[in-house]
Amino acid sequence: EDQVTQSPEALRLQEGESSSLNCSYTVSGLRGLFWYRQDPGKGPEFLFTLYSAGEEKEKERLKATLTKKESFLHITAPKPEDSATYLCAGNSGGSNYKLTFGKGTLLTVNP
Amino acid sequence: NAGVTQTPKFRVLKTGQSMTLLCAQDMNHEYMYWYRQDPGMGLRLIHYSVGEGTTAKGEVPDGYNVSRLKKQNFLLGLESAAPSQTSVYFCASSYGGGGTEAFFGQGTRLTVV
Repeated sequence: EDQVTQSPEALRLQEGESSSLNCSYTVSGLRGLFWYRQDPGKGPEFLFTLYSAGEEKEKERLKATLTKKESFLHITAPKPEDSATYLCAGNSGGSNYKLTFGKGTLLTVNP
Repeated sequence: NAGVTQTPKFRVLKTGQSMTLLCAQDMNHEYMYWYRQDPGMGLRLIHYSVGEGTTAKGEVPDGYNVSRLKKQNFLLGLESAAPSQTSVYFCASSYGGGGTEAFFGQGTRLTVV
């Protein structure tokens, strides 16, 4: 059974304090590893897709990386507006087009 | 540029009542999905569609039905609501299958009392 596990469940940072979020996965035949951001009361918003080990993608203060077993979302010098829940999801392809989501990491950045 | 629009945003139902949640997308996407999000559970796929006129079961389909009569619309029905269906429901669409990015609606918060 496909599984995606995110850690930590919650993370508090001071503004400017860099850190990383972890997403470990056991998804057979991974066709894509996704990162989404979700603000309270809103739907998830797409951030990145990673397809193969060694791949990296960046967007402003965020950088996502992928290995054969896990993905990291690195946050450099975060700002309060980066506070959100970050979701990781894996797609195993096949015929069901199913994304398996992790439970998310709630990030709070204090000014 | 609406993207994915869900109707309604909030709803309270009594046990046994029925309702339909409407999802509309204006991006000409082939694939559409219904998820539910519960505290501590993450997002779980209820049903999905790979094109107009098609539907398929996801991870937690029991108690729900769906229809995709038009490419832009995906309806989620609850025939006899139960308290266990209290949740936040999200519709999403994508141009390709699960290996492509999905665009989500704003969600519908449903409470069944």
